[in-house]
Amino acid sequence: GAVVSQHPSRVICKSGTSVKIECRSLDFQATTMFWYRQFPKQSLMLMATSNEGSKATYEQGVEKDKFLINHASLTLSTLTVTSAHPEDSSFYICSARDGFRLAEAFFGQGTRLTVV
Amino acid sequence: AQTVTQSQPEMSVQEAETVTLSCTYDTSESDYYLFWYKQPPSRQMILVIRQEAYKQQNATENRFSVNFQKAAKSFSLKISDSQLGDAAMYFCAYNNNAGNMLTFGGGTRLMVKP
Repeated sequence: GAVVSQHPSRVICKSGTSVKIECRSLDFQATTMFWYRQFPKQSLMLMATSNEGSKATYEQGVEKDKFLINHASLTLSTLTVTSAHPEDSSFYICSARDGFRLAEAFFGQGTRLTVV
Repeated sequence: AQTVTQSQPEMSVQEAETVTLSCTYDTSESDYYLFWYKQPPSRQMILVIRQEAYKQQNATENRFSVNFQKAAKSFSLKISDSQLGDAAMYFCAYNNNAGNMLTFGGGTRLMVKP
């Protein structure tokens, strides 16, 4: 159990376009989802926390208008990178927390975004 | 705020040998959780082992065990009988008991020599 599916795994887009990344909890209800960004050979940096049905909480320095997060249901959160630029190229990872197992976080496979 | 520190950016071990990865953390909480995650080249985060702070007994999972020193705020990972498949980035992580996000250390790259 506790599977998180993230899609797509890889995406290449042109500068100025928008890209949507989906994060789904397949066999549990995710009351909270987290979005991380990871640069090469670095640790995971938390971008935002989303709770179902409410606005996401963004970490300091993360542009909420550029990284739109929607957590419309207990099994789906989306991250939309708007007007993407080459500096947005990175590895994005979501994780989901089960409402009954607060201490555990389950990770998606990650999405490698390349903006050309 | 909680912080997690991994002082070893890279470690190397001979296959079948034992290696210990270090992690220290800072918190004012008394009840929390600590984790070690493995991130292989696929970049999928894999939970290796977890430790509840209220438990005095060190967690073990097959070849993986931890040395949890609560007073010293230390949480090291020991990998016994290292295998080539253990080569990966290892991240130490902290979580309080309130369901907040994980706080990660900077990671340790483990190389396993055949």
